[in-house]
Amino acid sequence: DAEITQSPRHKITETGRQVTLACHQTWNHNNMFWYRQDLGHGLRLIHYSYGVHDTNKGEVSDGYSVSRSNTEDLPLTLESAASSQTSVYFCASSGRPLDTQYFGPGTRLTVL
Amino acid sequence: KQEVTQIPAALSVPEGENLVLNCSFTDSAIYNLQWFRQDPGKGLTSLLLIQSSQREQTSGRLNASLDKSSGRSTLYIAASQPGDSATYLCAVRSGTASKLTFGTGTRLQVTL
Repeated sequence: DAEITQSPRHKITETGRQVTLACHQTWNHNNMFWYRQDLGHGLRLIHYSYGVHDTNKGEVSDGYSVSRSNTEDLPLTLESAASSQTSVYFCASSGRPLDTQYFGPGTRLTVL
Repeated sequence: KQEVTQIPAALSVPEGENLVLNCSFTDSAIYNLQWFRQDPGKGLTSLLLIQSSQREQTSGRLNASLDKSSGRSTLYIAASQPGDSATYLCAVRSGTASKLTFGTGTRLQVTL
């Protein structure tokens, strides 16, 4: 069965370190998204991609970057982790931009 | 800027009761609206997707309605069961990049 996976599921890091969160989907979807979920804010869009080599900023993109070298993967990089980036991160994908989005299980990141 | 509000934030009902969850959004120029379920520590599972031209969608015991002109959607759950206990999220797709904007969710507990 097609699925979307994220790794690691839990990560603890220190302020200032570079961190990369992996997202891999086997749906063969063109569209992939990264969200963060925080209490009181709901899910907020960080970055998204509509295809290979395409990346776009979402509403909370500062301090994050993504690159899309193939259809299956959209890694999220925190260039220099900050305590404000402690959150749960979700990756999602969809076949077309307006289609249902399918979500991964999430990565809980703690920045100390 | 699109804003999505869900009321109530939390709800506890006895098993067997019918219930309604509410979602409101500020910009009626939407493409579609999606209801998700999130279990603790898990990702999001899509329940229903309503296109802007539709008035309602049904799946089993779930029925979602959409009144685009008034900026409202409701999720009706019939004959609630303890397994329905979860957080329910409403998300609206709108804007030039057709991005999803999420509400903060309604946490539902169905008691025996």
